[in-house]
This record gives sequence, C-alpha cells and structure tokens, in this order.
Amino acid sequence: DSGVTQTPKHLITATGQRVTLRCSPRSGDLSVYWYQQSLDQGLQFLIHYYNGEERAKGNILERFSAQQFPDLHSELNLSSLELGDSALYFCASSHKKTSDRPTGELFFGEGSRLTVL
Amino acid sequence: KNEVEQSPQNLTAQEGEFITINCSYSVGISALHWLQQHPGGGIVSLFMLSSGKKKHGRLIATINIQEKHSSLHITASHPRDSAVYICAVPPSGGGADGLTFGKGTHLIIQP
Repeated sequence: DSGVTQTPKHLITATGQRVTLRCSPRSGDLSVYWYQQSLDQGLQFLIHYYNGEERAKGNILERFSAQQFPDLHSELNLSSLELGDSALYFCASSHKKTSDRPTGELFFGEGSRLTVL
Repeated sequence: KNEVEQSPQNLTAQEGEFITINCSYSVGISALHWLQQHPGGGIVSLFMLSSGKKKHGRLIATINIQEKHSSLHITASHPRDSAVYICAVPPSGGGADGLTFGKGTHLIIQP
C-alpha cells in the first residue's frame, strides 16, 4: 500500500461528458503528479501541483484541468470527453519540492480506469 | 525533451534466470527512476538513482551517467516478478518536473 488513494477505480461514461478524478496523497507529501497511460501513448506526465500551486504542465489537453486543495488532495477534471481519453489515470505523490533538483521518490496510486463509450 | 529507449520490449525467461533490462536516454540527467507495473495496473517505484548502484532484495539497479545508460537486474527470477518494468527520466536541463517514460519491458517468468 503506497498510501496514495485514488477514486474512483473504474469509471465508464459517454462522449461529451465531464468527470472528476480524485487523489489523496501520502500523508505529509506536498507534491501531486498526474499521469495518463493509454495503450498507444504509454505513460505521459500531465501536471504537477506542489502545496496548492501548479508547478509544471506536460501533455495536458485544454479540456483537462486540475487543482490541489488546502488539505492537499487533488482533483483532475476531464471535460468534453472523447473516445481517445479512455486511459488509466495515475496520481503520484512526493514530498520534495521539484524545481531544478531531482524528483523525490514517487508513490503511485492504483489508478483510475476511465472508459469513454 | 529527453528520449528514453528501453530494451528488450518483451522478455520471457525461466524461473531462476538472471534478468537484465536496459534503459538509455538522450540528455544528461540528475536521477533516473525504475518502476514496476503489475498486471492489475498498479505502479510501484522500485528505485531512484543518480549514480552507481542500488540493491533491494533480488533487484539491482545500476546507472552510468556518462554513458546515459541504466540497467535493472533481477537475480533468481521468480514468476511473481512477471510485470512491466519502466524507466523514467526527468526532462533535459535537469528539471525535475515532467518525467519521460520508456515504453516498458514486458517480463514473463515461467515456472
């Protein structure tokens, strides 16, 4: 058990809909990272939050947004869903600030499997 | 962007064999991650290393910063080691955000 909790574990929805994925980081961890894993693209970094502030963006679509709340849990919002958004969405937490120093050890959640029909 | 190449893509071996998975990257980095993804999908961080060698049980990870290459070794492999092994590196310039992931090595250990 990594200590990182993601909900829901599975989600099936239709094109055009909006969903919210939730991540509770490991106790004490200030950083939350979101990743998308699809069959054709593999694992891709989406976005990183540190202590409530956005730190870095990766290949995150404009239809997607995220935030980190004062209690440090994070939510990833996916809107106007398309078939290609079907994927596993992981969050990971880490306690180290990431700027120009190495990322700290990452603790991954079990992932949320999104299926868009 | 750092390019990451893993080899082999697929590996099937017999229980007890010594396993080596390789990872090469294009731009100098400060640290590299090895991850394990179980058949059910969960990801576990195995190692984060910036130099030399690290060992955890039957798993050994090495890195050569000058050659931009890392290897993951499994000694006395067991069927429970069957998983996808993924290496990940930070972007060029040493920044820590936004890991780039290899495509993974699908390892099957047969009893």
